[in-house]
Amino acid sequence: NAGVMQNPRHLVRRRGQEARLRCSPMKGHSHVYWYRQLPEEGLKFMVYLQKENIIDESGMPKERFSAEFPKEGPSILRIQQVVRGDSAAYFCASSPYETSGRAADTQYFGPGTRLTVL
Amino acid sequence: GESVGLHLPTLSVQEGDNSIINCAYSNSASDYFIWYKQESGKGPQFIIDIRSNMDKRQGQRVTVLLNKTVKHLSLQIAATQPGDSAVYFCAENPPEYAGNNRKLIWGLGTSLAVNP
Repeated sequence: NAGVMQNPRHLVRRRGQEARLRCSPMKGHSHVYWYRQLPEEGLKFMVYLQKENIIDESGMPKERFSAEFPKEGPSILRIQQVVRGDSAAYFCASSPYETSGRAADTQYFGPGTRLTVL
Repeated sequence: GESVGLHLPTLSVQEGDNSIINCAYSNSASDYFIWYKQESGKGPQFIIDIRSNMDKRQGQRVTVLLNKTVKHLSLQIAATQPGDSAVYFCAENPPEYAGNNRKLIWGLGTSLAVNP
């Protein structure tokens, strides 16, 4: 059973370009979470999605960032008009159900996409 | 805001020794804590969790201790192995997001280096 897959693993963009980060959850998982990690810091929640629905985007910047999880295909985190401050590692996690009720052990993280904005 | 902090940013141990990684949290009302391991170039991996109604919880070679009096959390790794080398994060679930693990507050991380 393949784990959570993210691609690309490394992405370099120039300021003003668009970045598209993809996440394929584990088989059978319908809940996807996106996090951002700055160097030597912990993860910061961005958005939580189920198939075709954004459930919680309270951690996502109001502008330039968007996310989707279509019925078919991977979840996409899209950053428009990237700036240097967007440089970070972006992690996706998936779960078979919402990890409430103290079930952190059911959330599996992907290897991350390291975005560098020149 | 309230956050979780770590006493030691780096920890170096000899293979076979026991490791203790410490974490201080500031919200006395937090009632759920998690330790994650993150190896270089990989995503975080769940290690062990503990609820505030417990003082200690054991897993395979790992033990988490919770001292609510001083708001302190520790992760003990027995017989540390080279494969344990990683950054370890503690995370807390603040009461305003009880039961909502996506709102965890993550600490800064402690780098554990195991010397052969």
